[in-house]
Amino acid sequence: DGGITQSPKYLFRKEGQNVTLSCEQNLNHDAMYWYRQDPGQGLRLIYYSQIVNDFQKGDIAEGYSVSREKKESFPLTVTSAQKNPTAFYLCASSYRENSYEQYFGPGTRLTVT
Amino acid sequence: AQTVTQSQPEMSVQEAETVTLSCTYDTSESDYYLFWYKQPPSRQMILVIRQEAYKQQNATENRFSVNFQKAAKSFSLKISDSQLGDAAMYFCAYRSPNFGNEKLTFGTGTRLTIIP
Repeated sequence: DGGITQSPKYLFRKEGQNVTLSCEQNLNHDAMYWYRQDPGQGLRLIYYSQIVNDFQKGDIAEGYSVSREKKESFPLTVTSAQKNPTAFYLCASSYRENSYEQYFGPGTRLTVT
Repeated sequence: AQTVTQSQPEMSVQEAETVTLSCTYDTSESDYYLFWYKQPPSRQMILVIRQEAYKQQNATENRFSVNFQKAAKSFSLKISDSQLGDAAMYFCAYRSPNFGNEKLTFGTGTRLTIIP
């Protein structure tokens, strides 16, 4: 079955620690995205990548880093510089052409205490 | 920059009735794509319907249809014959047509409750 997987579903970390969220897709999509979702807000774009070895900052990139070494994988690292890291994180992917929609993974709930 | 506004944080509807969720957007582009996504309690984002701005005909998917008013920059979602499984957060999203700018801009969402 094709799809997007994110692991783990729930993640707990102590303040000051970096943490990496996994995102893998087998849909042969070129583009991949990371969004953050907070209560009462829509999804906000953190980073996106249109091709391997290239990525761009989204609207709220501060305190986050990404890599895109393989087409299938787009891991997100939440660094200790991110002031409010507790949130729900969603990964998505899509074809690049025009009207194709983004497909979303099941998300990871990160709690930092 | 594009913005998307959903002015109804919460809506409720009786089962089997019809409900309309509102969405407005701001853009200077003449061509673009609009989407409605559903997020049930599982939090999995699911595409409900899409609309290409160059198409005058409103998109329809089974019980879901849109009222796309380009001049007014309005994109409402109508759900007919509401079912209990329709209970979810609904997000309106905008996408630029420009190659290399495929990111989505989302509204803040509308929580839809279905009353049995």
